[in-house]
Amino acid sequence: KNEVEQSPQNLTAQEGEFITINCSYSVGISALHWLQQHPGGGIVSLFMLSSGKKKHGRLIATINIQEKHSSLHITASHPRDSAVYICAVILSGSRLTFGEGTQLTVNP
Amino acid sequence: GAVVSQHPSRVICKSGTSVKIECRSLDFQATTMFWYRQFPKKSLMLMATSNEGSKATYEQGVEKDKFLINHASLTLSTLTVTSAHPEDSSFYICSAKGRQLQETQYFGPGTRLLVL
Repeated sequence: KNEVEQSPQNLTAQEGEFITINCSYSVGISALHWLQQHPGGGIVSLFMLSSGKKKHGRLIATINIQEKHSSLHITASHPRDSAVYICAVILSGSRLTFGEGTQLTVNP
Repeated sequence: GAVVSQHPSRVICKSGTSVKIECRSLDFQATTMFWYRQFPKKSLMLMATSNEGSKATYEQGVEKDKFLINHASLTLSTLTVTSAHPEDSSFYICSAKGRQLQETQYFGPGTRLLVL
């Protein structure tokens, strides 16, 4: 079993829909990242959080440390949001352990 | 946010040659840099962690003599794939972070290596 599990693996939505991607982890962590990887391969760090909730534009990330669970929400989704979204946790030091990613496709 | 660049973005080389990939932090001092490898439709795999001025720490199964890492300054780390083989073809990504333990890692745009 992976230490970091994401769901769903693939997600197709219509433009404007509210999207949720989930991440569960099995061990104690110091922080969690949500990353976005576009088809060209480049990775952008969307959020790093260790408690509560963060919001940036149409993106919202939440984390529940007790339940070892985080969610990434996208409101009013747009085709340009199509990408792979990756959850990564910091277990010790600075090392990241990655989930398998969620491929999101938003159709116009 | 902070910017990390990688060069080259794409490289094609012949089997047996060596390829150097550069990772630079453009607007901050990167005390730690990470090198990852990514296979198609797979997640990132950490290859090694390098701290400025010291030897890199390699993950289990990663050959340090094949993947040479140098982190000579606070803004530059290099990964050299020596005697490249077709199975080394992959997407290589670096990330960098500053001094504070909890600081965000900033990722480079990646380098796609194809070994013929």
